[in-house]
Amino acid sequence: AQSVTQLGSHVSVSEGALVLLRCNYSSSVPPYLFWYVQYPNQGLQLLLKYTTGATLVKGINGFEAEFKKSETSFHLTKPSAHMSDAAEYFCAVSDLAGKLIFGQGTTLQVKP
Amino acid sequence: DTEVTQTPKHLVMGMTNKKSLKCEQHMGHRAMYWYKQKAKKPPELMFVYSYEKLSINESVPSRFSPECPNSSLLNLHLHALQPEDSALYLCASSQDRGQLSYNEQFFGPGTRLTVL
Repeated sequence: AQSVTQLGSHVSVSEGALVLLRCNYSSSVPPYLFWYVQYPNQGLQLLLKYTTGATLVKGINGFEAEFKKSETSFHLTKPSAHMSDAAEYFCAVSDLAGKLIFGQGTTLQVKP
Repeated sequence: DTEVTQTPKHLVMGMTNKKSLKCEQHMGHRAMYWYKQKAKKPPELMFVYSYEKLSINESVPSRFSPECPNSSLLNLHLHALQPEDSALYLCASSQDRGQLSYNEQFFGPGTRLTVL
């Protein structure tokens, strides 16, 4: 069965600093992986996705993630944090039936 | 149009009320989903419709009743809810829902439901 673990329920960075949000997955088949962001009182917005092909995936708002099969990881990064990046971030894997399996989420705080 | 819309944005209801949540998409997607999300938790899948037929019910209590009138619309009928049902209800849609399918889901803004 597929599963996702997000390491760190809360991450705090200073504005301009590197953002690193960690996600490890478990999947018995080649995974489809996603990162979603949720701003307060809003729905989820897709940041980026990995299906097949290039392992470095670029998304919106300057975010990118690297699929590392050997480490079963799909960590999300951004070189320089902005105040507007403060939000809840969810990593997800699509299971065999096409259902999304979400991690528990990571709250990103950006300090001025 | 790459948007999923949900109405109402907020809903307050008593435990004896009947109300409905509405979701609409015009992206030609053939799979639509209802999720329930509690504060600081990931969304929990409730129902999946594929080609207008209910394909997944995640053991949701019968006080929640989904309906898919056509490929663009998804409703969630609510009756005799409990205070613990208060949550953000999210609708999503995707191009297709099949085994091993690429399943990018587009989410609506949600309906914030409060049950008194």
